Amino acid sequence: GGIITQTPKFLIGQEGQKLTLKCQQNFNHDTMYWYRQDSGKGLRLIYYSITENDLQKGDLSEGYDASREKKSSFSLTVTSAQKNEMAVFLCASSFSGNTLYFGEGSRLIVV
Amino acid sequence: QQKVQQSPESLTVSEGAMASLNCTFSDGTSDNFRWYRQHSGKGLEVLVSIFSDGEKEEGRFTAHLNRASLHVSLHIREPQPSDSAVYLCAMMAGGSNAKLTFGKGTKLSVKS
Repeated sequence: GGIITQTPKFLIGQEGQKLTLKCQQNFNHDTMYWYRQDSGKGLRLIYYSITENDLQKGDLSEGYDASREKKSSFSLTVTSAQKNEMAVFLCASSFSGNTLYFGEGSRLIVV
Repeated sequence: QQKVQQSPESLTVSEGAMASLNCTFSDGTSDNFRWYRQHSGKGLEVLVSIFSDGEKEEGRFTAHLNRASLHVSLHIREPQPSDSAVYLCAMMAGGSNAKLTFGKGTKLSVKS
């Protein structure tokens, strides 16, 4: 088995601030994902990465940057936090798009 | 772009009664379908994966796939209060590029 660890669990920032969420996995999976979850809108894909240093845009990449520094880690940066961005951000990983395994999520709060 | 619709939005069943959840998708090119569950404040856990038409059982969870009618369902046998959660269906487009599209979820409540 393995685990996906997201940090921090809660991230509080000010409007306009650059904020970064981190994700680590020890499954040795090749592909990693960042999804945003809003109440009533389901999960929307922000970025994914099929290997180290690779980056693919999802449906919601505007306003976000991502970085796959090494195989086990994938970070997501909100470039300028807005109050309408308060949501839960979920990190996941998989072998080549097979079953995705998810972390417990990071909640973004913008004040 | 693949669209995924789930129904109902919410469902309440009594403990022990069968619970049935539905998912329709916009085109038949996908060959990769999964049902996930999310308890409040937690991440998603995979319940069943199904790749061909027919039925796939994992314990009390059974998925049915019918690509001709663009439909996949999940049936939960003998649901318990601990099964109360949001259930999400997900599918990968044909010609997989590892991109998974999710429905908005069905909130299941199981009353004891």
